[in-house]
Amino acid sequence: QKEVEQNSGPLSVPEGAIASLNCTYSDRGSQSFFWYRQYSGKSPELIMSIYSNGDKEDGRFTAQLNKASQYVSLLIRDSQPSDSATYLCAVNMNRDDKIIFGKGTRLHILP
Amino acid sequence: NAGVMQNPRHLVRRRGQEARLRCSPMKGHSHVYWYRQLPEEGLKFMVYLQKENIIDESGMPKERFSAEFPKEGPSILRIQQVVRGDSAAYFCASSGSRHETQYFGPGTRLLVL
Repeated sequence: QKEVEQNSGPLSVPEGAIASLNCTYSDRGSQSFFWYRQYSGKSPELIMSIYSNGDKEDGRFTAQLNKASQYVSLLIRDSQPSDSATYLCAVNMNRDDKIIFGKGTRLHILP
Repeated sequence: NAGVMQNPRHLVRRRGQEARLRCSPMKGHSHVYWYRQLPEEGLKFMVYLQKENIIDESGMPKERFSAEFPKEGPSILRIQQVVRGDSAAYFCASSGSRHETQYFGPGTRLLVL
């Protein structure tokens, strides 16, 4: 199993709908989780961090963490064309104390 | 309120030349990370440094690549005798401590002719 796994996509979502991005990780002891957005040709920018089980909301974004099932997700409500980007999941691996990035999911919002 | 700065933003080198990439962390940050990203691929960790120390270089190729973060000045990623396969975007990130959020610079796009 890869350390941090994401579906590469592309994930196509109609404008105004909810986009759901998923990420699974291998290290059960991981404690810190991050979602980054990367536009083509640009650097990753942090959207949210989450550390506790449950939901964390910030504007149109909601991060969901389930440590027992070892997955973290990002929901984007009222999707906009400007949300079209690659979304990277990052996990601070407990066993070697290192942040590992997934390969990212390409999201395409259809106008 | 300067963020992470990298220069140059674009660098063109011929095979066999040296490439030097610079990274100034965000103010107050003393932890620096270097990543490489090939087109259509994810971020690949290269090296993690604190001031004057290399903490983790498990992602660095064994030859031609080196990194430093001196007491004064920016962190430098150095690639000697570049080859075409070194062409990629190189991103630097910084954080206030090992487990805190990493903030990325704009990257250096290296093209080896």
